[in-house]
Amino acid sequence: DAGVIQSPRHEVTEMGQEVTLRCKPISGHNSLFWYRQTMMRGLELLIYFNNNVPIDDSGMPEDRFSAKMPNASFSTLKIQPSEPRDSAVYFCASRIPGRSGRVGELFFGEGSRLTVL
Amino acid sequence: LAKTTQPISMDSYEGQEVNITCSHNNIATNDYITWYQQFPSQGPRFIIQGYKTKVTNEVASLFIPADRKSSTLSLPRVSLSDTAVYYCLVGDMTAGGGNKLTFGTGTQLKVEL
Repeated sequence: DAGVIQSPRHEVTEMGQEVTLRCKPISGHNSLFWYRQTMMRGLELLIYFNNNVPIDDSGMPEDRFSAKMPNASFSTLKIQPSEPRDSAVYFCASRIPGRSGRVGELFFGEGSRLTVL
Repeated sequence: LAKTTQPISMDSYEGQEVNITCSHNNIATNDYITWYQQFPSQGPRFIIQGYKTKVTNEVASLFIPADRKSSTLSLPRVSLSDTAVYYCLVGDMTAGGGNKLTFGTGTQLKVEL
């Protein structure tokens, strides 16, 4: 399996522009998570989906952030308009709850590093 | 959801055993304890998981006391390549469990020669 695939790996944009980050979870995984990591705030959970349905978006910082999962193999995280304080590494992770062995192990992508100027 | 507390940083030398303790006083019955390792510019990756007592795999051991309010990750004979951030994650990993898996601050381990 190719693992969790994220794109783009790096994005540099200017304040006010729209940013779309993409994630392809591991095939068969039915839970998907978006995390944001910064030096100041660490690894923050933004939103997670079960079976393509958003379950908890309380971690989304504000209305400028939105996330969708139109099908089991694709999710997007959108920031509109972007601001310099949104600069961070955004990780996507997927898992199968209750999987035997490593129970519900989280598999992370390599992250998308966003810089907003 | 159980909140976790870990030391912010630890230093060690190659060949030594490193023990990182995580406190999770509010752990729930269905919660598992999972440790992740993160290198710079990479996502966290699974190291070890346990529910109670002791678990050992090829890279680490995990000690969990009877009350489960804490856990200790033990890395035997660390090397420079073990320099990373280590996260303790406590959450319901069962099929019917919630998915609000939040990470704590992590422990930055630095291994020197």
